[in-house]
Order: sequence, then structure tokens, then C-alpha cells
Amino acid sequence: AQSVTQLGSHVSVSEGALVLLRCNYSSSVPPYLFWYVQYPNQGLQLLLKYTSAATLVKGINGFEAEFKKSETSFHLTKPSAHMSDAAEYFCAVSRGRGTYKYIFGTGTRLKVLA
Amino acid sequence: KAGVTQTPRYLIKTRGQQVTLSCSPISGHRSVSWYQQTPGQGLQFLFEYFSETQRNKGNFPGRFSGRQFSNSRSEMNVSTLELGDSALYLCASSPGLSTEAFFGQGTRLTVV
Repeated sequence: AQSVTQLGSHVSVSEGALVLLRCNYSSSVPPYLFWYVQYPNQGLQLLLKYTSAATLVKGINGFEAEFKKSETSFHLTKPSAHMSDAAEYFCAVSRGRGTYKYIFGTGTRLKVLA
Repeated sequence: KAGVTQTPRYLIKTRGQQVTLSCSPISGHRSVSWYQQTPGQGLQFLFEYFSETQRNKGNFPGRFSGRQFSNSRSEMNVSTLELGDSALYLCASSPGLSTEAFFGQGTRLTVV
């Protein structure tokens, strides 16, 4: 069975500070991992994905994530937070190609302080 | 290229009624999946369709059903609505050969 744990339902950072959102996964098969962002009253937008290629994945809006198999982690980072980054972020895992049955984490709401 | 379109965006229904939600995928996408998002349960997988065939189904009661048409458009139906069905229902589409799904803006269903 697959599962995702996101540590910290709420994270606050100052504008310009490092953003670190944590995601740990459990999977019996090599996972495909994703980070999505959701703005209020909107759907989910893909930030980045890991599909067993490079372990350091760069996404949109300056975000990146590193796949660490030994730690079963896929943490999301951004060097410098911007006010527009305030949103809810979801980590998800799937079995890979051929299925879009994602298991989502519970989400982390990011607040950016001026 | 137009994104995933879900209609309607907002819906209010009464307990016991039924509802049909519609999803038009991105042109050329053959796979459609549906998710329910609630504050208590988070994002939960409902169904997944590819070329009109249901490939996966989540752990939801039989009141939740769906289908996909030959043009890849999809509908989901919830019968005998309960208060707990109030949620944001999200549809996502994919070409079928990639790994990521592209989400629509959702339909917010309120059951009163």
C-alpha cells in the first residue's frame, strides 16, 4: 500500500526566507512523486514530479524537490519565499505510468509574512 | 490549449436528491480521474477512466458512479445525497502516456 505523510499542516515563513515543506512516502513499488499547489477556490497545479530520473527535480516558480530513497522523503524547497507563494501544497504518490490514482498527503498551508 | 473544464462550478442540492457533475478534459487527453476534497478527509480518489473504461475505483459507496464518453468527456453522479457529500469535486485529465494529471478548478457541491 502507498501512503504520504506531510509534516506540519501550517508553515509560516518570512518573505525572502527559505521555504521547506516536508513529505515522506511509503510505497511497495518504486514511486512516482508529485507536488501540487492549490490557491483558494482553485484546482491543483503541478509544481514538479519525480519519475525515477534525476533525484533533484526542478519545478515551476523556483521550487525544487529532492528524492531521497534512504529517507523515503521528497521535501519541497524554495530558496526565497515570495508573498505569492502563500497557498496550500500537496504531496502525492502514484504507482507510475498507466494510472492517475494518486494518494495525497493532508496538505501544508504556507503563510508568507511580510 | 484550453484546460480541464468542470461544470457547474457551484451547486447547492438538498439531501436525498441526486447530482451530475461534468468534466471536459484537455483536448487529446484520454484519461480522466475524479477526486473528492473535504476539510476532514482531504483529497480522496474516486474513479479513473481511460477510453470509456473504468480502470480504478476508490473506496466510496455505490451512490457514487461515473462514466466516460467516446469524446473523453466524463460525468460523475451521486445519488441520494447526504450532508457529508458536501465537498469540492476535482476532475483531472491526462494524455494517458504521461505520469501527471492536470486538474480542473472543481465543482463545489453543497448539500443542505
